Amino acid sequence: GQQVMQIPQYQHVQEGEDFTTYCNSSTTLSNIQWYKQRPGGHPVFLIQLVKSGEVKKQKRLTFQFGEAKKNSSLHITATQTTDVGTYFCAGPGPQSIIQGAQKLVFGQGTRLTINP
Amino acid sequence: GAVVSQHPSRVICKSGTSVKIECRSLDFQATTMFWYRQFPKQSLMLMATSNEGSKATYEQGVEKDKFLINHASLTLSTLTVTSAHPEDSSFYICSARDPASGYNEQFFGPGTRLTVL
Repeated sequence: GQQVMQIPQYQHVQEGEDFTTYCNSSTTLSNIQWYKQRPGGHPVFLIQLVKSGEVKKQKRLTFQFGEAKKNSSLHITATQTTDVGTYFCAGPGPQSIIQGAQKLVFGQGTRLTINP
Repeated sequence: GAVVSQHPSRVICKSGTSVKIECRSLDFQATTMFWYRQFPKQSLMLMATSNEGSKATYEQGVEKDKFLINHASLTLSTLTVTSAHPEDSSFYICSARDPASGYNEQFFGPGTRLTVL
């Protein structure tokens, strides 16, 4: 079945260092989404990428979607303690006949910890 | 953004009892809600897709008689863990899509931490 792999599983950085997490799908994706889950919290939607080669920025966060639409990355420049959490990528699962019922396939997540 | 609530946020129960978890979309109608399970420091595992007015669709390996799902209205889905055992202890999270959103992102509830003694 469809798989979404994410690396690394864990990343520990010094505050101010950069951070990157990579996401790879076993199948071509129509879009990819990124979520952040703070410790003890729930996942919160960050962004969706749709176009091949798309790059989107949110302040210090840069998201990329690969040309083949099978991989994606999230890069954080100059990390801050508020960036701590687990970052998940997710791709759409098999199309459902029920409108709005298409599920997401999540990667394993990358847990970011930061040394202040 | 759209808001999804969950109740209770935390529950501790004895082995053998049943626990009901509610998931509500507060400011939008959700014909579909999703139920996930998350073990500590692990990813989200989709358990089932809850469809308003029809039967839920369960993922492979998830016992439908163990995890009963009812989606009786456009704003409420419930997950009942029947005859809970310690191995059912986990973080259960629901999510829903807001049809009015330009994206097809999922809005997650705050989760329910279940501890079975």
